[in-house]
Amino acid sequence: DAKTTQPNSMESNEEEPVHLPCNHSTISGTDYIHWYRQLPSQGPEYVIHGLTSNVNNRMASLAIAEDRKSSTLILHRATLRDAAVYYCILTPLDKIIFGKGTRLHILP
Amino acid sequence: DTAVSQTPKYLVTQMGNDKSIKCEQNLGHDTMYWYKQDSKKFLKIMFSYNNKELIINETVPNRFSPKSPDKAHLNLHINSLELGDSAVYFCASSQNHMDTEAFFGQGTRLTVV
Repeated sequence: DAKTTQPNSMESNEEEPVHLPCNHSTISGTDYIHWYRQLPSQGPEYVIHGLTSNVNNRMASLAIAEDRKSSTLILHRATLRDAAVYYCILTPLDKIIFGKGTRLHILP
Repeated sequence: DTAVSQTPKYLVTQMGNDKSIKCEQNLGHDTMYWYKQDSKKFLKIMFSYNNKELIINETVPNRFSPKSPDKAHLNLHINSLELGDSAVYFCASSQNHMDTEAFFGQGTRLTVV
């Protein structure tokens, strides 16, 4: 099964960009890369996903390495409301697996 | 309207009891899931249903039985509850499990005493 590796925690200052890394060296050609986040006492929330090309949406940007063995979620201007656990997930044809995630702390 | 709703939000019960958690989605999605988040906050998939048919069944005790009466509902029945079943259970849905975002419910905190 394709696995992901993320740092346990990261800190960032409010209103600064945040780059959250994810390694997925065993990714297969059909795996999509998804990012979700979980705010305290809530269910996970979709952030962004991609396959090969970089992606942008209103919440974040996703930068995917050319060999697809790593990706980076970019929050362009972090706010206190972005403090959450961020999960990098691969979705092969028959399974969704959540890794341990990165707990993002935002400093005011 | 809540896209994915779970009931109850909190459930406290004694060991050995049988309980159910209900999940409904009003998004017209084909795929629904049950996840378990334990005390260490690891989020693990338990079951996945596509159009009422089971497509993923992780290593889960057979005391856990999902039931999908229709595409919009995926209920979780748990028999002979044990202390180790205490966790937060999340229901989710997506159009399919390959390419689209999944919507999660707010979770059901199950406490077995």
